[in-house]
Amino acid sequence: DVKVTQSSRYLVKRTGEKVFLECVQDMDHENMFWYRQDPGLGLRLIYFSYDVKMKEKGDIPEGYSVSREKKERFSLILESASTNQTSMYLCASIEAPGRGNIQYFGAGTRLSVL
Amino acid sequence: DAKTTQPNSMESNEEEPVHLPCNHSTISGTDYIHWYRQLPSQGPEYVIHGLTSNVNNRMASLAIAEDRKSSTLILHRATLRDAAVYYCILRLYSGAGSYQLTFGKGTKLSVIP
Repeated sequence: DVKVTQSSRYLVKRTGEKVFLECVQDMDHENMFWYRQDPGLGLRLIYFSYDVKMKEKGDIPEGYSVSREKKERFSLILESASTNQTSMYLCASIEAPGRGNIQYFGAGTRLSVL
Repeated sequence: DAKTTQPNSMESNEEEPVHLPCNHSTISGTDYIHWYRQLPSQGPEYVIHGLTSNVNNRMASLAIAEDRKSSTLILHRATLRDAAVYYCILRLYSGAGSYQLTFGKGTKLSVIP
């Protein structure tokens, strides 16, 4: 079974802190994604990566950056956390670009910024 | 960008069939239709996908309208474990090794014992 693992289920951080959310997949997938999920807004794409060291902005990249140094790991970085970044963050991966491929999600990280 | 429209919520009795509709009137010829669901406190999981023809798998069936402007996810016998938010998603291919995903707000399915 494909496994997408997010390093933390729950995080509490203070405003202005630098926050790292880590995601690892074990199926050698090329494409990885970071979403945030908020009540009433559904899932929104923050960034995605289709190869090591490659990244593309999603719909809401402001306030975030990402890092993909190894194929299996995709990190989301909040340089200076703010309260409006309190949300559920979901990581996902897919094996190759294509219209029929299945996307696999991690269990999510619920981040609270105080 | 092609978008999807789903009802906010639906209810079903346990062990009865459920038909979850999705409208995607601006879909293009290269867009696949995917359905995912999200159980409470979990990440979304894949349910089914299709392009033009109806599709069946062990979880559900997908009925796609002839003009592809709408589709229906069919759960043949709803169980309590099927209570979740169901997302109808269009997968777009943008070229150059990347693509975009369009998530709707989903339909919250409640299953009544």
